[in-house]
Amino acid sequence: GDSVTQMEGPVTLSEEAFLTINCTYTATGYPSLFWYVQYPGEGLQLLLKATKADDKGSNKGFEATYRKETTSFHLEKGSVQVSDSAVYFCALSRYGNKLVFGAGTILRVKS
Amino acid sequence: EAGVAQSPRYKIIEKRQSVAFWCNPISGHATLYWYQQILGQGPKLLIQFQNNGVVDDSQLPKDRFSAERLKGVDSTLKIQPAKLEDSAVYLCASSLVKGLTIYEQYFGPGTRLTVT
Repeated sequence: GDSVTQMEGPVTLSEEAFLTINCTYTATGYPSLFWYVQYPGEGLQLLLKATKADDKGSNKGFEATYRKETTSFHLEKGSVQVSDSAVYFCALSRYGNKLVFGAGTILRVKS
Repeated sequence: EAGVAQSPRYKIIEKRQSVAFWCNPISGHATLYWYQQILGQGPKLLIQFQNNGVVDDSQLPKDRFSAERLKGVDSTLKIQPAKLEDSAVYLCASSLVKGLTIYEQYFGPGTRLTVT
């Protein structure tokens, strides 16, 4: 069945450092790919998405590119802030149906 | 626009007791989902409704979990009897449907269940 694998955390960075969180998926066909973020004490929020190969999703300085050849959707940000500290989830969906999530990666940014 | 509402936010029960969670989706969203998020894991779908019909309940433990969406709006998820391993956050999400396209899912704040 479909699955998503994320790099384990926690990831601890200093403010203004470069961020990469790796995500790979297993699925047949062409699922849509997502990054969700969960800030402390809050619900899951969609951060960005890509619906087909080579699409780049971007939001709030975060980017991820749908790479069909490597089945990857790595999350990147050029300069993280303390306010980016949260749990990040990579997920896939077929035809808008259920989201299949990775285990999540905790990001801690120190000032 | 009001978001997805859930209640209660927290619940503590003893094993073998029953519990119910309520979800009110965003107005006009035909599709409603219940996910279970165990600590340290990503959310896992329990059941998906479109209007008041079930689309996917393949991962719902039907011997103890039940869910309904009688009028195609609010939904209730019930656990009876609860087990220790049911301790988790229960997330409700909804999404808009236009034709054959289901749009992004919006999540509620979740209900944190502790079974002792």
